[in-house]
Amino acid sequence: QVQLVESGGGVVQPGRSLRLACAASGFTFSSYGMHWVRQAPGKGLEWVAIISYDGRSKKYVDSVEGRFTISRDNSKNTLYLEMNSLRVEDTAVYYCVKGNWGTGLYFDHWGQGTRVTVSS
Amino acid sequence: SYVLTQSPSVSVAPGQTARITCGGNNIGSESVHWYLQKPGQAPVLVVYDDSHRPSGIPDRFSGSNSGNTATLTISRVEAGDEADYYCQVWDSSSAHPGVFGGGTKVTVL
Repeated sequence: QVQLVESGGGVVQPGRSLRLACAASGFTFSSYGMHWVRQAPGKGLEWVAIISYDGRSKKYVDSVEGRFTISRDNSKNTLYLEMNSLRVEDTAVYYCVKGNWGTGLYFDHWGQGTRVTVSS
Repeated sequence: SYVLTQSPSVSVAPGQTARITCGGNNIGSESVHWYLQKPGQAPVLVVYDDSHRPSGIPDRFSGSNSGNTATLTISRVEAGDEADYYCQVWDSSSAHPGVFGGGTKVTVL
């Protein structure tokens, strides 16, 4: 079965950096686009970033553009999110999510999430 | 960018039908997907491509999409259906294509 296991969350001061990782198993990782979705405390879901199956194409939500970098290592079945210049408003649970295509793109498997707290 | 609008809350008695709406400009021309999220848990896909159910999702969950409104319908509501529900589309023409609605809290009375 599909498993997505995030790691790397924690408490960090504003302006600092953090790197999240997501270990994937149970499917052909190199065949699927992957995403990060976050959820601030008490708030809804917010899509953060996508990376194509081969790593060549990436897109980000406006609020993280230029600060966050999504990447992947298909030899290790691992997805990453490098987060720089962190802000208090980046505080959230970050989910690693597998994308799939029908007539539209949807998120068919989610990790359990890793919590990031940005605070001085 | 594309905006999805959901009512904040819906209340329903056990055994009745809950309808959760997701509004968007000409959303009927988009593919809409739905997720449920229980407290402290990751979201789970319950309907994709407007009306298709993933394996393991009960047929009490159904979806429709037309005009400016997509709807997730939960028939014969059970206490375990109490959760937050989110709609989602992928706006391929946008530089920031992932879009979620604000979520609807379903309360089972």
